[in-house]
Amino acid sequence: EAGVTQFPSHSVIEKGQTVTLRCDPISGHDNLYWYRRVMGKEIKFLLHFVKESKQDESGMPNNRFLAERTGGTYSTLKVQPAELEDSGVYFCASSWLSGGYNEQFFGPGTRLTVL
Amino acid sequence: RKEVEQDPGPFNVPEGATVAFNCTYSNSASQSFFWYRQDCRKEPKLLMSVYSSGNEDGRFTAQLNRASQYISLLIRDSKLSDSATYLCVVKRAGNQFYFGTGTSLTVIP
Repeated sequence: EAGVTQFPSHSVIEKGQTVTLRCDPISGHDNLYWYRRVMGKEIKFLLHFVKESKQDESGMPNNRFLAERTGGTYSTLKVQPAELEDSGVYFCASSWLSGGYNEQFFGPGTRLTVL
Repeated sequence: RKEVEQDPGPFNVPEGATVAFNCTYSNSASQSFFWYRQDCRKEPKLLMSVYSSGNEDGRFTAQLNRASQYISLLIRDSKLSDSATYLCVVKRAGNQFYFGTGTSLTVIP
């Protein structure tokens, strides 16, 4: 079974440009999460989808970040315009159920560098 | 105050040694607890969940102390392949994970 996949693996852009990250969850997983790790800090939650609906977006840093999950399958995270402090590794995770001890499976991450 | 605090290490131990990692969490409403392992430049992967009664999986033992808001991971008979960063992860009633910064372990031949 394929795991969570993310594209691209790396992205280097200039400040002010737009970048779109994509995540394909494990097939059948209704729950999809975005996380971010800024260098030297812990991994932090950004938002959670249940199918196509945003369940919790309390971790989104500001309105330059827009996440979508059309049709409840893959998800995109767009940063527009990118700022230097947006650099980091963006992880996507998915899970079948969302409560209790349900494991979240992580993708390999997209390493974003904003110059 | 951070949600989850871990000693970042690094821990450098010889093969065969026993090593213990500790973690504290700040929110008493936390409900689920995990240890994830992350290899260099890879994604986090679940090592084990941590249950109230404590649990063991081979060489790995996890303990939870809700009163002290403290989680531990014990690795016995360390292998070279255990070298990684160990992430303490806590979940509250919602579904977002709160991560510690991780504890780095290097097992030396």
